[in-house]
Amino acid sequence: DAGITQSPRHKVTETGTPVTLRCHQTENHRYMYWYRQDPGHGLRLIHYSYGVKDTDKGEVSDGYSVSRSKTEDFLLTLESATSSQTSVYFCASLPDRDTYEQYFGPGTRLTVT
Amino acid sequence: AQRVTQPEKLLSVFKGAPVELKCNYSYSGSPELFWYVQYSRQRLQLLLRHISRESIKGFTADLNKGETSFHLKKPFAQEEDSAMYYCALSGNGGSQGNLIFGKGTKLSVKP
Repeated sequence: DAGITQSPRHKVTETGTPVTLRCHQTENHRYMYWYRQDPGHGLRLIHYSYGVKDTDKGEVSDGYSVSRSKTEDFLLTLESATSSQTSVYFCASLPDRDTYEQYFGPGTRLTVT
Repeated sequence: AQRVTQPEKLLSVFKGAPVELKCNYSYSGSPELFWYVQYSRQRLQLLLRHISRESIKGFTADLNKGETSFHLKKPFAQEEDSAMYYCALSGNGGSQGNLIFGKGTKLSVKP
């Protein structure tokens, strides 16, 4: 499992509230990713990081921001949660960009009411 | 545009029957293709990649550049193969290890 954990594992929040999800890895992987998984859409990339303080947008970045102040932590923030952001969020890390073997966390199920 | 298409949302077969999960891609350049699998209550994990040309758990996949396909095959399905399968393509020219995933196919193997 490459030592990847996500917290919280489940969260219910109200529309308009800020939410931060945390991804923590202990493998010193350089690359990290946030995806959302939705029925009928599969996995879609939200944001990714290619080093400390180096991040970029993915396919569905609107409404999300990220930060990476340490190699091991990659935070995903929903500034003002909306019901359309109800989803399962997965974090992944990658040791070497040439292998493409991303290691995934267990997921966070977020419900926005 | 880079895109991965998995035309079947659900594929249901009986144990011992052959299985083929379809994957087509759109990519300008030399793609790298992968299959990831998510078993019930487990994490998404890499199943196989086209470069290694390996067989994992009896599954194989051949990259067909002419048909832009990377179908996943197994001659005799087992109940433990029931899972969600995602085809993925290296994106952004592979510069940051990014993957583009298809929408997934849920494989159900009945006894």
